[in-house]
Amino acid sequence: AQSVTQPDIHITVSEGASLELRCNYSYGATPYLFWYVQSPGQGLQLLLKYFSGDTLVQGIKGFEAEFKRSQSSFNLRKPSVHWSDAAEYFCAVGAMDSNYQLIWGAGTKLIIKP
Amino acid sequence: GAGVSQSPSNKVTEKGKDVELRCDPISGHTALYWYRQSLGQGLEFLIYFQGNSAPDKSGLPSDRFSAERTGGSVSTLTIQRTQQEDSAVYLCASSLRTTEQYFGPGTRLTVT
Repeated sequence: AQSVTQPDIHITVSEGASLELRCNYSYGATPYLFWYVQSPGQGLQLLLKYFSGDTLVQGIKGFEAEFKRSQSSFNLRKPSVHWSDAAEYFCAVGAMDSNYQLIWGAGTKLIIKP
Repeated sequence: GAGVSQSPSNKVTEKGKDVELRCDPISGHTALYWYRQSLGQGLEFLIYFQGNSAPDKSGLPSDRFSAERTGGSVSTLTIQRTQQEDSAVYLCASSLRTTEQYFGPGTRLTVT
């Protein structure tokens, strides 16, 4: 069955420290992969996406993610977090042959310690 | 350009009443999605419209929920005889074929 797993419900990181949020997927077709961020009381904003090509993708706000096909993973990273990064992060996977619909992870809430 | 807009931003209703939630997608986007997000939860897919094709209603939780999309643009999600468990944020998104979805700010529905 198609699924997306974000193993960490909450992650707490000190401001200025590095961050990695995990995302694993189970998907039969070649996936398109996305990370979205949802700040408190806001809608979802696209951080970055992977369709094909270079497996290391750069996004907005200094985030990057690496697609590892062998591990079925698409982990999100940032070298130094800022207090404004406190939000919920969602990983999603889709494919052209899925009628463009996305399968969503449950989200990881990022807490920043001052 | 304008993004996805939703109205109202907040809606408080009494149990048993009907509510209508509106979504204005990005102009030209052929696909439109409705999701429900309960407190502290991920996104629950409700319904998907793609162009003039029949909508995918597979995520609607009960027959009290329905949605329509007029003229391939504006969409309305209707919940009849609301229940307390319908309380959630309802998110609308639109896209143009590439699965990259653009989200509106959501409508927070509270059923008292």
